[in-house]
Amino acid sequence: DAKTTQPTSMDCAEGRAANLPCNHSTISGNEYVYWYRQIHSQGPQYIIHGLKNNETNEMASLIITEDRKSSTLILPHATLRDTAVYYCIVRVEGDKIIFGKGTRLHILP
Amino acid sequence: NAGVMQNPRHLVRRRGQEARLRCSPMKGHSHVYWYRQLPEEGLKFMVYLQKENIIDESGMPKERFSAEFPKEGPSILRIQQVVRGDSAAYFCASSPRGQGAYTEAFFGQGTRLTVV
Repeated sequence: DAKTTQPTSMDCAEGRAANLPCNHSTISGNEYVYWYRQIHSQGPQYIIHGLKNNETNEMASLIITEDRKSSTLILPHATLRDTAVYYCIVRVEGDKIIFGKGTRLHILP
Repeated sequence: NAGVMQNPRHLVRRRGQEARLRCSPMKGHSHVYWYRQLPEEGLKFMVYLQKENIIDESGMPKERFSAEFPKEGPSILRIQQVVRGDSAAYFCASSPRGQGAYTEAFFGQGTRLTVV
């Protein structure tokens, strides 16, 4: 079973920042937070991951709370192509990825 | 470096036939994972393989389904005597080693199996 809780769906206006929350209150000290997304009918795409510190790459930023019980994925300038289902996943090194239901993000023109 | 290649992209089988789905991991990747996605549902883990070994098959149905990843060649997911309920998208992912903290899994574009 997935160890995370995410809102079922969210809307965001094109050009604005999309902030996707994730709760993982039972996360263990050796588990990382990963984010993937699945654009309609395509294979899942890796976005970003982190352990304790905030992370940023060319796609997004990941903000993890100090107690590590929740995190937020930030897409700084959302475009229509960011419409997808976003999955927040926690797992230990060497383990398989278990997908939950994710958040369906709609980018509004 | 080509990505994870899955073929065929679309496969139609009649009930009772066999379906063979192939997955070629990225170059240098020795770990393969298979997932199934039923229409309008989430991704379900099926099996995790390393070259010539099955590491975790906890998500595989007990009957009709099998998977292999030989020393040479692609990974194969085999479904015998397909039924309509097997209709789904099957995704393969690969990583250079166990899905570790410093490695992400790369997914293919999937094979869409339709059983008629």
